[in-house]
Amino acid sequence: DADVTQTPRNRITKTGKRIMLECSQTKGHDRMYWYRQDPGLGLRLIYYSFDVKDINKGEISDGYSVSRQAQAKFSLSLESAIPNQTALYFCATSDPSGGPPNEQFFGPGTRLTVL
Amino acid sequence: AQSVTQLGSHVSVSEGALVLLRCNYSSSVPPYLFWYVQYPNQGLQLLLKYTTGATLVKGINGFEAEFKKSETSFHLTKPSAHMSDAAEYFCAVSSVSGNTGKLIFGQGTTLQVKP
Repeated sequence: DADVTQTPRNRITKTGKRIMLECSQTKGHDRMYWYRQDPGLGLRLIYYSFDVKDINKGEISDGYSVSRQAQAKFSLSLESAIPNQTALYFCATSDPSGGPPNEQFFGPGTRLTVL
Repeated sequence: AQSVTQLGSHVSVSEGALVLLRCNYSSSVPPYLFWYVQYPNQGLQLLLKYTTGATLVKGINGFEAEFKKSETSFHLTKPSAHMSDAAEYFCAVSSVSGNTGKLIFGQGTTLQVKP
């Protein structure tokens, strides 16, 4: 079984719709991250969470919100989707207990298309 | 602010040839350095990382990278390419201060291996 799972794997939606992408992990890691990947731009950090009560904005948080429902679950929401949010979205986890630098473990990604 | 530049968005080599993927970083203090690989339809997987100490780092699948502080570089090499190495490769950095674990990624380089 995969340690970091993302649902859905693919989603097509329309402009203005609200959409939620979910991430679950069985690694027991405290830290979780959401990235988006665009061709030629690499991965960019949207939000990150150090624990259930500690959520932080990344470099491109506008238009997105997150919820950390439990240590194992971290959801990303687009309140009103727009076409330039079409991208591949990745969730990642890391364990800071071993000291830096902490390897991040990635889910398989969600491909989102906003029409 | 830290940044990462990968020279060449696409690199094509013949099977058995040397693989060289270039990465340069910009940082006031040498950061932690990583190379990740993304196979088609999969998440990212860590190839190797540099923290401190020996500047030549060996990773999985025969890859290695050398940290050169004077050149602010962390190029990835493999002596002999295999067809299975075809993938997208990302260089990333993480600040040595603060232990946030946040990664800043380069734009990515797609490696094509020709028979």
